Amino acid sequence: QKEVEQNSGPLSVPEGAIASLNCTYSDRGSQSFFWYRQYSGKSPELIMFIYSNGDKEDGRFTAQLNKASQYVSLLIRDSQPSDSATYLCAVNPAGGTSYGKLTFGQGTILTVHP
Amino acid sequence: AAGVIQSPRHLIKEKRETATLKCYPIPRHDTVYWYQQGPGQDPQFLISFYEKMQSDKGSIPDRFSAQQFSDYHSELNMSSLELGDSALYFCASTRRDTQYFGPGTRLTVL
Repeated sequence: QKEVEQNSGPLSVPEGAIASLNCTYSDRGSQSFFWYRQYSGKSPELIMFIYSNGDKEDGRFTAQLNKASQYVSLLIRDSQPSDSATYLCAVNPAGGTSYGKLTFGQGTILTVHP
Repeated sequence: AAGVIQSPRHLIKEKRETATLKCYPIPRHDTVYWYQQGPGQDPQFLISFYEKMQSDKGSIPDRFSAQQFSDYHSELNMSSLELGDSALYFCASTRRDTQYFGPGTRLTVL
């Protein structure tokens, strides 16, 4: 079992819809969680990080963390075709609210169609 | 704003050759992480440096070595290259709560 698992894709949503991306992790000691967007052949780009249980909103993006369930999600509201990319969930398993070395999930490919 | 610089951007090598990848972090960033991303795979942590000292080590083969220099740039040295080393190699530059990935070096081993 991978340490960080993401819901299998690809995920396809119509433009303007909400895209929901899910991620579970195995290490209960993990305290910092990150969502990256990666276009094909490009480097990962940080979208959001979250440390505390609950929701964190930034523009059209909302990250949700539930440490009891070891679950973190990313919601993208008003999805746009430019959001089409691979979304990587990453966890710092060493604990602490810092980047540290990251363990990534396998990624979910999101396609937003007009 | 300054970004992370990696060179070369593309590299083609033969099996058993050596390769050196370079990473220039954002000024005043004190930590560099190296990741390897194979085709269709997620990035795998290789090694990291904090203030020029190795701070952590991941799934880095013994054929690979790395160091961080006094100017904070880092180099990943890869010897006895194998076909399976073909991948994107990213470095990430970090300071406190800020982290940026470089554009990556695409290594192809023939």
